[in-house]
Amino acid sequence: DAGVIQSPRHEVTEMGQEVTLRCKPISGHDYLFWYRQTMMRGLELLIYFNNNVPIDDSGMPEDRFSAKMPNASFSTLKIQPSEPRDSAVYFCASSLGGFTFLPGQGSGANVLTFGAGSRLTVL
Amino acid sequence: LAKTTQPISMDSYEGQEVNITCSHNNIATNDYITWYQQFPSQGPRFIIQGYKTKVTNEVASLFIPADRKSSTLSLPRVSLSDTAVYYCLVMEYGNKLVFGAGTILRVKS
Repeated sequence: DAGVIQSPRHEVTEMGQEVTLRCKPISGHDYLFWYRQTMMRGLELLIYFNNNVPIDDSGMPEDRFSAKMPNASFSTLKIQPSEPRDSAVYFCASSLGGFTFLPGQGSGANVLTFGAGSRLTVL
Repeated sequence: LAKTTQPISMDSYEGQEVNITCSHNNIATNDYITWYQQFPSQGPRFIIQGYKTKVTNEVASLFIPADRKSSTLSLPRVSLSDTAVYYCLVMEYGNKLVFGAGTILRVKS
């Protein structure tokens, strides 16, 4: 498997523009996560999906952020309108299981595999 | 509310064994302890996971005492390429896997 694939790897845009980040999870992984990383705040969980359904979006900073997962092999994170403070590296990750170990679930099911990230710069 | 505490940074030299200890006093009964490694400009990468006692794989060892209130990641004979940020994770409030600040490991020659 090619792993978690993210695009674009780098995006430079101007304030007010719409930004769309894309992610292809590992085939067979039922969970997909979007994280954001900055020097000041570290790695922040924005939202995660189970079987294409958003489970927890409490980490999404504002209504300007939205995420979708139309099918098991594709997810998008959209920022509209973008602002300079949105500049960060956005990571997508996927896993077989969720965060919690369930009885009978093999070890490693909740291990997250991350993509290479999308570095966003908003001028 | 499970929360992890680990040193902000550590320095080591090539060939030495490095031990990074993480405290998680409020770990829940069902929580596993997971360590990730992150190199610059890359996403975090899973290193090792354990529940109790000792776990070893080709990369590292993880030591967990009986009370599970702490864990120690052991990297044998580090090299320059082991310079990275190391994260210790257990479940946080709301059953979400939350990354802390991590430990910056600098390996020198």
